[in-house]
Amino acid sequence: SQTIHQWPATLVQPVGSPLSLECTVEGTSNPNLYWYRQAAGRGLQLLFYSVGIGQISSEVPQNLSASRPQDRQFILSSKKLLLSDSGFYLCAWSKGKGQPQHFGDGTRLSIL
Amino acid sequence: DAKTTQPTSMDCAEGRAANLPCNHSTISGNEYVYWYRQIHSQGPQYIIHGLKNNETNEMASLIITEDRKSSTLILPHATLRDTAVYYCIVRANTNAGKSTFGDGTTLTVKP
Repeated sequence: SQTIHQWPATLVQPVGSPLSLECTVEGTSNPNLYWYRQAAGRGLQLLFYSVGIGQISSEVPQNLSASRPQDRQFILSSKKLLLSDSGFYLCAWSKGKGQPQHFGDGTRLSIL
Repeated sequence: DAKTTQPTSMDCAEGRAANLPCNHSTISGNEYVYWYRQIHSQGPQYIIHGLKNNETNEMASLIITEDRKSSTLILPHATLRDTAVYYCIVRANTNAGKSTFGDGTTLTVKP
């Protein structure tokens, strides 16, 4: 069966520091991959999605970037974190056309 | 992707059916209706999806109106563990499969 792993579960970072969140999927090949952010008490905002290695689409302008160095690895990065980058970050995968997305357990990021 | 409208919150008695409505009046012909739920501090969990026919699985039933402008998620026998935020999403049947999540419905199952 397929599994998705995100780490770390929680992270506290100072303003201006770099960020790297990693997501990996097991048990499937060539998945579509997604990064979402969720503010407290709100719905999910799609940040990036990828349909293949090296293919990244950005949904909103922001301080973050994403990369997909391997088929089942998706990385969310920032060179300099802002206070507004705080939130709950979720990675998801899907098999593609018409298929549901499956989410990881998320990373709760706090910026101080 | 079409937008959806859901009530902010609903209550349900334990053991009774929970019926969660969703309006998606601008849905396109190639857009599916998906339902997810999110228990506090966890990632969303996929429940069910459909195009135009009613669907049922081990978790829930999905009823889509004939004009496809609204749908209802039915949890037949709600338990306390079903307390969560429920998201209704419409998403095009394309490879990228991007989803727009609104604020969802907070369902509280009460004993």
